[in-house]
Amino acid sequence: ETGVTQTPRHLVMGMTNKKSLKCEQHLGHNAMYWYKQSAKKPLELMFVYSLEERVENNSVPSRFSPECPNSSHLFLHLHTLQPEDSALYLCASSQGSRGLTDTQYFGPGTRLTVL
Amino acid sequence: AQSVTQLGSHVSVSEGALVLLRCNYSSSVPPYLFWYVQYPNQGLQLLLKYTSAATLVKGINGFEAEFKKSETSFHLTKPSAHMSDAAEYFCAVSPYNQGGKLIFGQGTELSVKP
Repeated sequence: ETGVTQTPRHLVMGMTNKKSLKCEQHLGHNAMYWYKQSAKKPLELMFVYSLEERVENNSVPSRFSPECPNSSHLFLHLHTLQPEDSALYLCASSQGSRGLTDTQYFGPGTRLTVL
Repeated sequence: AQSVTQLGSHVSVSEGALVLLRCNYSSSVPPYLFWYVQYPNQGLQLLLKYTSAATLVKGINGFEAEFKKSETSFHLTKPSAHMSDAAEYFCAVSPYNQGGKLIFGQGTELSVKP
């Protein structure tokens, strides 16, 4: 595997379900990101982790819970979601040098549908 | 607050024609600027980036962009469109010294007609 991978690629869940999205990067990077991509809206940054420490949380509802157990893995735990949470969830990673702008490398995304 | 505006949510060109996708940013300090492309059912792929070196930046697949501070613009161009260029294109700005945070525009969908 190379680059940034995400599983599953597609997920359909009910409003009462609990599920998790997984992201893995094989680039030796130190920073990882979760984005939400909804139709007709700009990508929204949800969470940023640098060296496994959460450094940004952009007022995301608590029904989204991130976890970064190590610098290669990032999870997004989902519970009691709403239909408006249906979107493409993208994971990205970067080298993570503070103060510099590193290129972010994106995974293919998980297409989430909440019924 | 920093923002990015992409003029035109949809652009259609003929194969072989010039591609011009517009991007304007708002920033008091010149930021770092990026163009990403997203093909159907895929993630975003970096086309090119500007990091205060040369104002004309060359990227992959024949694309280039010019940073114009006086116009706060970073438009993306390609001299001759190919059918394979059909995709969605995103301009993004990373404010200086904010640790790599990216602010994206709304995207421009490029269609290429045969």
